[in-house]
Amino acid sequence: DADVTQTPRNRITKTGKRIMLECSQTKGHDRMYWYRQDPGLGLRLIYYSFDVKDINKGEISDGYSVSRQAQAKFSLSLESAIPNQTALYFCATSDAGYSYEQYFGPGTRLTVT
Amino acid sequence: DAKTTQPPSMDCAEGRAANLPCNHSTISGNEYVYWYRQIHSQGPQYIIHGLKNNETNEMASLIITEDRKSSTLILPHATLRDTAVYYCIVRSLNSGNTPLVFGKGTRLSVIA
Repeated sequence: DADVTQTPRNRITKTGKRIMLECSQTKGHDRMYWYRQDPGLGLRLIYYSFDVKDINKGEISDGYSVSRQAQAKFSLSLESAIPNQTALYFCATSDAGYSYEQYFGPGTRLTVT
Repeated sequence: DAKTTQPPSMDCAEGRAANLPCNHSTISGNEYVYWYRQIHSQGPQYIIHGLKNNETNEMASLIITEDRKSSTLILPHATLRDTAVYYCIVRSLNSGNTPLVFGKGTRLSVIA
C-alpha cells in the first residue's frame, strides 16, 4: 500500500461548491503539507502542519482551509470553489529530521467548471 | 534560503549520462542542496541531497563545486523513464520549520 494516499484522485465540481480533498499517511510523520501545481509551473505551498495542533499558511492560502484531524490525516477544503482553483493538488509528509525528505502523494486533479 | 537557477529544459540521449546544472551563487555555509524530480503529473520524488561533499546513491550523483556556488546532478545512464522535471532546492537547517520551496525546475527529455 502507498505511504501517502489522496482521495479523490480526480474531481470535477461546479463554481461555488464546497469540496474537500483528503490525505492520509502511514509513515508516522508529524509534518504534512498541501501544494498545488498549475500547468508548466512548479509547486506552490498552500498550508502546512507540523503536528496535530499546528496549522500554518503557505504562499497561496486564500480561498482554502485545512483540518489536521489526526497525525495521519490532513484535509484541504475549498469553501466555495472557483475556476482558477483548477489545478493538480499534492499532499506531502516529512519527519523532523535533518534530511528533510518529503514524501508526496499521487495527487488530486481538480477541475472547477 | 538561497535562490537557485536552472535551465528550463535539456535533452539527453538514452544510455548517456545526464548532467543537470544548478546555480546557487548566494548559498551560505549551512545550506544544503536538495534534488527532487517529478515524472509527468506524479508527486515529486526525492533524489539526493548534499552539503559540500559529493554524494552518490542508487539513483544519482551530486557534484558540488568547491565554492558551493553551483552543483550538478548526474544520472549516469539515462533511460526513457528518467524523463521528468528536476528541481534543485537550497535549504538551511536553520530555516526552522519552513517547508521546501519548489521552483520551475529543468525539464529533462531522454531521447531514444
